Amino acid sequence: EVQLVQSGAEVKKPGESLTISCKGSGYSFSNYWIGWVRQMPGKGLEWMGIIYFGDSETRYSPSFQGQVTISADKSISTAFLHWSSLKASDTAIYYCVRHDPDYRGWCFDLWGRGTLVTVSS
Amino acid sequence: QSVLTQPPSMSAAPGQKVTISCSGSSSNIGNNAVSWYQQLPGTAPKLLIYENNKRPSGIPDRFSGSKSDTSATLGIAGLQTGDEADYYCGTWDTSLSAVVFGGGTKVTVL
Repeated sequence: EVQLVQSGAEVKKPGESLTISCKGSGYSFSNYWIGWVRQMPGKGLEWMGIIYFGDSETRYSPSFQGQVTISADKSISTAFLHWSSLKASDTAIYYCVRHDPDYRGWCFDLWGRGTLVTVSS
Repeated sequence: QSVLTQPPSMSAAPGQKVTISCSGSSSNIGNNAVSWYQQLPGTAPKLLIYENNKRPSGIPDRFSGSKSDTSATLGIAGLQTGDEADYYCGTWDTSLSAVVFGGGTKVTVL
């Protein structure tokens, strides 16, 4: 089955670091981009950034540049989203998403189930 | 405030049609392909429409998309109770160098 499997929910304190993961299966990971989308409680979707597994090219939304780090490990078909110092405002569901470069324009044809990150003192 | 503007909510009776608008500018919708996503309550979004008007396999033809100038539209015909969800448009914004989404439209089946 083609799917993105995300790591489990996290509860952290402000100032702590965190890395969440997204593992792809059932398709050739190297041919696709994997991105991250944030959804704050009761709010809409926000694109954070994306990485291409073929050459690790990474692009960030200006809103998230410098706030998070996106990386990937091709050997285990897994993408990561990292915070070095969490804030309460980072509390949200984070979805990993897949983009097929054969599609015209940027769209996300596969979504993970989401990872809930709660940051509270 | 989202870069793409959608109505916050829409409603219609079962069997009716709803049309959701997504308004942008020349830096996004005007020059880039639009996609639409459905988010059922408590679940991850799902791709409904890509490249303005194409449906992924498995998406019924009750769902349709179109684009004109700097606006896009999602149509849902033969509305069903299972269509109650939030719907989002998305595209690339050349000025921002980022994917942007609309604020979402909550569809209620009366």
